[in-house]
Amino acid sequence: ETGVTQSPTHLIKTRGQQVTLRCSSQSGHNTVSWYQQALGQGPQFIFQYYREEENGRGNFPPRFSGLQFPNYSSELNVNALELDDSALYLCASSWVGLLDRNTEAFFGQGTRLTVV
Amino acid sequence: GENVEQHPSTLSVQEGDSAVIKCTYSDSASNYFPWYKQELGKRPQLIIDIRSNVGEKKDQRIAVTLNKTAKHFSLHITETQPEDSAVYFCAASMYNNNDMRFGAGTRLTVKP
Repeated sequence: ETGVTQSPTHLIKTRGQQVTLRCSSQSGHNTVSWYQQALGQGPQFIFQYYREEENGRGNFPPRFSGLQFPNYSSELNVNALELDDSALYLCASSWVGLLDRNTEAFFGQGTRLTVV
Repeated sequence: GENVEQHPSTLSVQEGDSAVIKCTYSDSASNYFPWYKQELGKRPQLIIDIRSNVGEKKDQRIAVTLNKTAKHFSLHITETQPEDSAVYFCAASMYNNNDMRFGAGTRLTVKP
């Protein structure tokens, strides 16, 4: 098992609502990436946080936003939920160093979000 | 941006046979290529990765090859076992940016 934990594990929300998902990164890691995995698909990159700042973003609208805290844990916020937002949301933590050599990414177990 | 394509989408082999999964990528700046195994209901787990400064890497029954000129890389599993059955994902990224772009996945079934 990795040291990356996510909460909650499952969540049901109504269309139009807002949701916050949380990720606790592995000890020693400074980077958290968020992914959306629809059923039967590969993970799609949402964004990455490095030292508390957004450091890259995939093709997701602004209603997907995030934060990284001083302890390197992270939150993913989704506003105005749509039915298509139903998916498994995965976070992955890693360490990125000054020499541009990152460690492997360790995934959390995911949060299964269902929008009804 | 980076686009990763993966083939085949499903693969069924007999126990003991070899399995090969292939991926292509579009961004020549990508230089880190991991492979993840995801069992049903579980998190993706790294099984092997390769960086662009090598052409092949092996770890017991698993090997990965990389052709930077052609922008494709492959996963090879030899002597397959039923516990190898899972969905396998390839991905591509750059060293200093961990935003991995994943393929659509290959569902591997190993029949006893």
